Amino acid sequence: EIVLTQSPDTLSLSPGDRATLSCRASQSVSTYLAWYQQKPGQAPRLLIYDASNRATGMPARFSGSGSGTDFTLTISSLEPEDFAVYYCQHRSNWPLTFGGGTKVEIK
Amino acid sequence: EVQLLESGGGLVQPGESLRLSCAASGFTFSSYGLYWVRQAPGKGLEWVSAISGSGSNTYYADSVKGRFTISRDNSKNTLYLQMNSLRAEDTAVYYCAKPLGSGRNFFDYWGQGTLVTVSS
Repeated sequence: EIVLTQSPDTLSLSPGDRATLSCRASQSVSTYLAWYQQKPGQAPRLLIYDASNRATGMPARFSGSGSGTDFTLTISSLEPEDFAVYYCQHRSNWPLTFGGGTKVEIK
Repeated sequence: EVQLLESGGGLVQPGESLRLSCAASGFTFSSYGLYWVRQAPGKGLEWVSAISGSGSNTYYADSVKGRFTISRDNSKNTLYLQMNSLRAEDTAVYYCAKPLGSGRNFFDYWGQGTLVTVSS
C-alpha cells in the first residue's frame, strides 16, 4: 500500500497569502496524484488531477506540481473561501489511498 | 447535470448489517466504474470499494474485505454497498463517487454522503 504523507498538518495564513502544501508518497506514483478541497459538512471537491491539471471550473490560483514521490499544491493568493482541508490521493495502484490532510486556517 | 444521491445509512449495533444505495443521474451510468469512499467523524478520507462499469470487477480495501459487497444495477442506475458484520470502526459518512473516466480513478463528482453509526 502506498502511504501519502501530507505536511504540514495545519497552515495558518491570512487572506492574500501564498499557501504551499506538500504530499509525499512512500513510493513513486508517477504523476497519478490528485488534490481535493473539503469544507465542513461538504463532500470533497476535485481541484487538481494527474499532478498538475486543474479540474473543470477550478480557479487559476490553484496549481499543482511534482512527480514520482514529491508533490506540491500551491494557492497563489488565498481567498476567504479557500480556508478548508486539502487532501491528496493517488491512483497508481490498488488500494487507492488518501493523505491525512492539511488544514488551511485563518491566522 | 451529474447527481449522486446516497441513502440507507443509520444507527446499527455491532455485528448487524446495512445496505447503502447510490442513485445516479446525468451521465451514462454503465460506462463508469463507481466507488465508495468513507470518512470517520473528524478524520480523513478512506477508499472502501470500487466496481467496474459492467459490474464484473470489484475491489475492496483490506479493512472491509470479506464483510462488504459492492454491486450495481445498470437498469436502475443505482450503486449498492452491502455491509455485514459491522464494527464500531465502520462508523463514518459514506460517499459514492464517480471517476473522471475509465482508469482515471480521481473523483470529479461525489454524493452528499450518508452517515453510518455502529454502536451498542
